[in-house]
Amino acid sequence: DTGVSQDPRHKITKRGQNVTFRCDPISEHNRLYWYRQTLGQGPEFLTYFQNEAQLEKSRLLSDRFSAERPKGSFSTLEIQRTEQGDSAMYLCASSWLGSQETQYFGPGTRLLVL
Amino acid sequence: SQQGEEDPQALSIQEGENATMNCSYKTSINNLQWYRQNSGRGLVHLILIRSNEREKHSGRLRVTLDTSKKSSSLLITASRAADTASYFCATPMYSGGGADGLTFGKGTHLIIQP
Repeated sequence: DTGVSQDPRHKITKRGQNVTFRCDPISEHNRLYWYRQTLGQGPEFLTYFQNEAQLEKSRLLSDRFSAERPKGSFSTLEIQRTEQGDSAMYLCASSWLGSQETQYFGPGTRLLVL
Repeated sequence: SQQGEEDPQALSIQEGENATMNCSYKTSINNLQWYRQNSGRGLVHLILIRSNEREKHSGRLRVTLDTSKKSSSLLITASRAADTASYFCATPMYSGGGADGLTFGKGTHLIIQP
């Protein structure tokens, strides 16, 4: 069990640039979640997938954000035209059919928008 | 908006002492979870308690749930320096409590003094 992995771990970009993050869930986990966490706050839900289907999107997920999970395995989260307010830790989590309430989190991608 | 609110926001105790943190939530739930986050890293699942349970133990952890008061507590006994972390309670976004996204509080930052 290699755990949930995320890449990159850190990203610094200039305002207006596009960024893409990748998440590899634990194998056999059919659900994958994205959260955003700002300093001093708990994670906030963004979206989740069951296999390749995106089942729920938060209002936090503006039209500049898009997430995909094309083959039901890894997922990508893209932010277009980044803004300084997008600076945060982006966390990915996965869960499996037998115990779907428990989510296993990756180490996160820390984004800094200058 | 965040459903759970942890109390206190910060707690500093001596190694070996017990640490208690509380969580209050707003809507009906069918389970509540506690997660730990070490500085700048992903979250680690600690324990899940269901609405029909009043108390649950896992090693040095004891969790209680009072659905009538919409509150939960996490007790860490015989604290160690390695317990220094932020602790979050999390509840399902929807009352169905299946594999939904989670809502987190702001967390309790626990510091164990050696």
